[in-house]
Amino acid sequence: EAEVAQSPRYKITEKSQAVAFWCDPISGHATLYWYRQILGQGPELLVQFQDESVVDDSQLPKDRFSAERLKGVDSTLKIQPAELGDSAMYLCASSPFGAGESYEQYFGPGTRLTVT
Amino acid sequence: GQQVMQIPQYQHVQEGEDFTTYCNSSTTLSNIQWYKQRPGGHPVFLIQLVKSGEVKKQKRLTFQFGEAKKNSSLHITATQTTDVGTYFCAGINSGTYKYIFGTGTRLKVLA
Repeated sequence: EAEVAQSPRYKITEKSQAVAFWCDPISGHATLYWYRQILGQGPELLVQFQDESVVDDSQLPKDRFSAERLKGVDSTLKIQPAELGDSAMYLCASSPFGAGESYEQYFGPGTRLTVT
Repeated sequence: GQQVMQIPQYQHVQEGEDFTTYCNSSTTLSNIQWYKQRPGGHPVFLIQLVKSGEVKKQKRLTFQFGEAKKNSSLHITATQTTDVGTYFCAGINSGTYKYIFGTGTRLKVLA
C-alpha cells in the first residue's frame, strides 16, 4: 500500500539553527499539506500545495518558515531560525484532489522537532 | 476566525460502554471528515460525510452530519481497547475553502 514518506523522523536542534523537513507524497496525489501538531492539540495547517502552486499559506509564519514543491512532487519545509516554540510534530499529508468531492488526506509518520 | 470545537476533550470509558464525541463548527462546512490518531501515531482517515443530515456506519462506529452542516458526531457502540486514541473531525469552510481540524477528543478505554 502506498504511503507518504517523511524524513527525518526525529530532529533535535538548537534555537537559531536552521532545520529542514522532507516529504514525498503518494504517487499521483496533486495536493500536499504541511501541518504542525503541538502535543494534545489538533493539526494546524501551515501550507497547502496544488501541484507546485501554493493554495493556502495564511497560517505559515513567513518570517521564519518557507515551503516549496518545485516539481509538484516532493516538498521541503524549512525553519530558519528555529525557536523554542517551534517544538512540535510536523506532519505531511497528500490527497487525490479532484477525485470527485473526496478530500481524504493520507498522512505521513511525521517529523518530531525538538528545539533546545 | 473559524473554529471547530470538539467535546468532550477527554473521555474515559469502561470497555463495553458507548462513547460519543461532538464536533461543532462556527461556520458552515462543505463536508466533514473524521480521523483517528493512535498515541504516538499519525491521523488516519475514517470517513467523509458530504450531505446535510447524512448518517454513515462502519461496524460499531456511527457518523452523523448535522442538517445545518455545522456540526457532526461520532458514536462508538460497545467500545473496545483498540478504540483508544484521539478522534478528530475536520472540514472545509464552504465559503473560504480553508481546511481546518477540530480540537480532538481523546478516548481511553479501561479493560
